[in-house]
Amino acid sequence: DTGVSQDPRHKITKRGQNVTFRCDPISEHNRLYWYRQTLGQGPEFLTYFQNEAQLEKSRLLSDRFSAERPKGSFSTLEIQRTEQGDSAMYLCAIPGGDSYNEQFFGPGTRLTVL
Amino acid sequence: DQQVKQNSPSLSVQEGRISILNCDYTNSMFDYFLWYKKYPAEGPTFLISISSIKDKNEDGRFTVFLNKSAKHLSLHIVPSQPGDSAVYFCAASAISDYKLSFGAGTTVTVRA
Repeated sequence: DTGVSQDPRHKITKRGQNVTFRCDPISEHNRLYWYRQTLGQGPEFLTYFQNEAQLEKSRLLSDRFSAERPKGSFSTLEIQRTEQGDSAMYLCAIPGGDSYNEQFFGPGTRLTVL
Repeated sequence: DQQVKQNSPSLSVQEGRISILNCDYTNSMFDYFLWYKKYPAEGPTFLISISSIKDKNEDGRFTVFLNKSAKHLSLHIVPSQPGDSAVYFCAASAISDYKLSFGAGTTVTVRA
C-alpha cells in the first residue's frame, strides 16, 4: 500500500469525449504530482501542486488538460475532447515523510481512447 | 530532451547471480537519484535512492552507486531472485522542484 489511491483504474472512452481521473492520498502531504506513462517509456512529469496551488505545468499538458486540488488533499485531472494520443497510464504521486525527495505512486489510471 | 537515459532495454540474469542496471544523466542540477520497480498494470514502486553527496547506498540486496563526474549511476541486485523480474526505472530530481525525470526503463528477467 503506497498510501495513494486512484480512480478509476481503467477507463475506455471514445475520441472526443471528456474524462476525469481522481487521486486520493491516504496521508496528507502538501505536494502532489501527476505523471503520464506511455508504452515503452518511463513516466513523464505533467504537473504538481503545493497545497491547492498548481505550481508548474509541463508543455505536455495541452489546453485540453486541466488539473485541480481544491482542498489541498485529493486531486482531479480532466482531459477534454480526448484524442487517441492521450492513451496512457496516468500516475499520481506524493512525497513520503518529511522529505520531498522520494515519491510514492498510486496504482495509476489506464486510459484507452478508441 | 531525454535527461535520464537507460541504454539497455533488457537484461537477463540467472537466479542467484548479480544484476547490474545502468543509468546516465545529463542535467548537472540533479541532486537526488532514485530507482523504481514496476510490474505491469501497477504504479512504480520505490526501491532505493541516493543523494548527490554520497557515492553509495545499500539496502539489503540492493546497492546504488553514483559517479557524479561521469554522470552515471548503477543499481546492483545481489543475489537476483525470480521475484525481481520487472521493469526498473532510474529517476532523478533537483531540489528546485523535486519533479522526477525518468529513464525509459530496463526489463529484468531472472531465469531459474
